[in-house]
Amino acid sequence: AQKITQTQPGMFVQEKEAVTLDCTYDTSDPSYGLFWYKQPSSGEMIFLIYQGSYDQQNATEGRYSLNFQKARKSANLVISASQLGDSAMYFCAMSRFRGTDKLIFGTGTRLQVFP
Amino acid sequence: DAGVTQSPTHLIKTRGQQVTLRCSPKSGHDTVSWYQQALGQGPQFIFQYYEEEERQRGNFPDRFSGHQFPNYSSELNVNALLLGDSALYLCASSSTAETQYFGPGTRLLVL
Repeated sequence: AQKITQTQPGMFVQEKEAVTLDCTYDTSDPSYGLFWYKQPSSGEMIFLIYQGSYDQQNATEGRYSLNFQKARKSANLVISASQLGDSAMYFCAMSRFRGTDKLIFGTGTRLQVFP
Repeated sequence: DAGVTQSPTHLIKTRGQQVTLRCSPKSGHDTVSWYQQALGQGPQFIFQYYEEEERQRGNFPDRFSGHQFPNYSSELNVNALLLGDSALYLCASSSTAETQYFGPGTRLLVL
C-alpha cells in the first residue's frame, strides 16, 4: 500500500527566505508519481509540481523545486524567495499513474510567511 | 479556458437526508475523481469515473455513489447523511498522463 508522511504540522518562514517542506513516501510500485498541492484557506487544491519516479532530474516550476531522493524515499518541496501569499496548507501526494490513479495524500504542513 | 467547476459551494443538510454534488471537468479532461476532506486532514479518495463508469473506488460505504455523463461532468450522491459526512468535497479532473486539477470544492455541513 502507498503511504505519504508529512512530519511538519506547521512551519514559519520570513518573507524572501527559502523554506523546505518535508515529505517521505512508501510504496512497492516500481513506477509512481509524486505531487505537491497548495491549499489556501479558500479550500481549492492548487497543483504546484510533479515528479515522476523515473525522471532523471529534479522537477522545478518557477519558485518551486522538488528535492527528489529516491533511495531515501523523500520528495521535499523547496520554495525559494517566500512571499506572503505563500501562506497556506501544503500537501504531498502520490499515485501510480499520472491522471488515471487515485491520489494518496499526506496530512499536510501549514506554512506561515511573516514580513 | 475554464477550470474545474463545482456546485453548490456550500450546503447544509440534516441527518438522514440525501445530497447531490456536481462537477464539471476542465476542458479536454475525461476523468473525474472525488475526494472527501475532513477538517484538519488530507483529502481521502472516494471514487473515480472514466467513460461513464466507476473505475476505482476508495474505502467508502455504498451510501456514496456517483455518475458520469457523456459530456464528462459528474455527480456525487450521498444517501442517509451522517454527522461525520460533514466535510469539504473536492472534485478533480484529469486525462491519461495528465495531472489531476481540482475544483474549488463543496462544503457540506450535516446537522
